[in-house]
This record gives sequence, structure tokens and C-alpha cells, in this order.
Amino acid sequence: GAVVSQHPSWVICKSGTSVKIECRSLDFQATTMFWYRQFPKQSLMLMATSNEGSKATYEQGVEKDKFLINHASLTLSTLTVTSAHPEDSSFYICSASKTSGGPSLEQYFGPGTRLTVT
Amino acid sequence: QQQVKQSPQSLIVQKGGISIINCAYENTAFDYFPWYQQFPGKGPALLIAIRPDVSEKKEGRFTISFNKSAKQFSLHIMDSQPGDSATYFCAARGRNNDMRFGAGTRLTVKP
Repeated sequence: GAVVSQHPSWVICKSGTSVKIECRSLDFQATTMFWYRQFPKQSLMLMATSNEGSKATYEQGVEKDKFLINHASLTLSTLTVTSAHPEDSSFYICSASKTSGGPSLEQYFGPGTRLTVT
Repeated sequence: QQQVKQSPQSLIVQKGGISIINCAYENTAFDYFPWYQQFPGKGPALLIAIRPDVSEKKEGRFTISFNKSAKQFSLHIMDSQPGDSATYFCAARGRNNDMRFGAGTRLTVKP
């Protein structure tokens, strides 16, 4: 159990357009989901924490108006990159936690979405 | 700012050897320390994790050693195999369940 999927796995978009990435927990309910960005040969950097039914909490330096996060249900969170630019090209990875509190707060990671902005 | 410092950046080990990756942290609020393995183009996969009240945890060929007073922890991969060649990340979980990752170590196991 504890499978997280992402869609699409790979997307190319033109500069100035918006692209939406979906993150789904397939076999569990996720109160909290996280969005990370990973540039080539670099580490995962947390962008934002998304709690179901409430506004996302963004890390310092991450533009909330550019990276729109919606966590409308316990199994789905979306990240929309608005007015994308080539520097937004990156590997976007989501993760999900089964509960919001308690001893077992492991994060289950999705397979990632590679975004290329031309 | 990297909250978790990881070394080395890259590591080459012969098949059958021991791979050792080290991490250090400053924030004493971290309460959970996982290690992840990542292959190119894939998301990270949990390998093994430890809590700060335990000094060592072993699962198969993977062992975490944890030194709470020094705020350091390490991953040992025994009998390293070519299939272990991947990038390894240490991480630390904060109060809000936010995970902070080290910079990563690219491991190459030569046959």
C-alpha cells in the first residue's frame, strides 16, 4: 500500500502558458501533501505543504501566485505553474502523508513530473 | 540554506565493499531521519529510517548509525552491489512533518 501517482510524468509547454500537475494517493487518504522541486543533479527542495481543505503553506522564496496549489480532496493535490518560464523547467515531485499527527508520519513519494518550458 | 549537510558528494566503491554516507544537522527539533534512494528520472524511495532515541538500525544490508549528541547520522551499505548505484539522500523531518533533504550522494558500485 501507500502508492502515490503523478500526472503527467512529462510535460512540455511554451513560455507564458500554465501547466497543471496532479498528485494522487491511490490507496490511502492524505491529509497532508508536499510539493518538491528538484533541479538536475541537485537535492529536493520543499516548495510548499498542502493540507486538505486549507491554504497551502509556501516555503520562503517560493511565489505562491506562480505556483498555485489546490488540495481539494484527501486523495488529490494539484500544482499549477502559471506563466511558466524556461527557468521553471525542473523535476516536480509530490509526497503524501497518511495522517496529520501521530507516530507514523512517513511521506510516500510520487514518481515525479518533468516539466520543460520552451 | 541546507539544513542537512551530506557528504561525500560522490562515492565509488568496489562490488562487495562498504559504502558509507554521512549527514549532519543543526535543528534539534528534527525527530525522524530517513534515507532515500533515487534512480534517474524517478521519485525517491525510502530505504531505512531512524528516530533519535535509537543509536543504530539495521535492515538487511543497510544500517543507520545515529549520534544524537553530535547531531550526525550515517548510512552504511554492506556488500555493495552494482544495482545499488544510485543517488542517496538523507533527510530530517521537522515539526510540521516537513522533510529537509541533504544534497545527495551519487554512489557508483563497480563490478
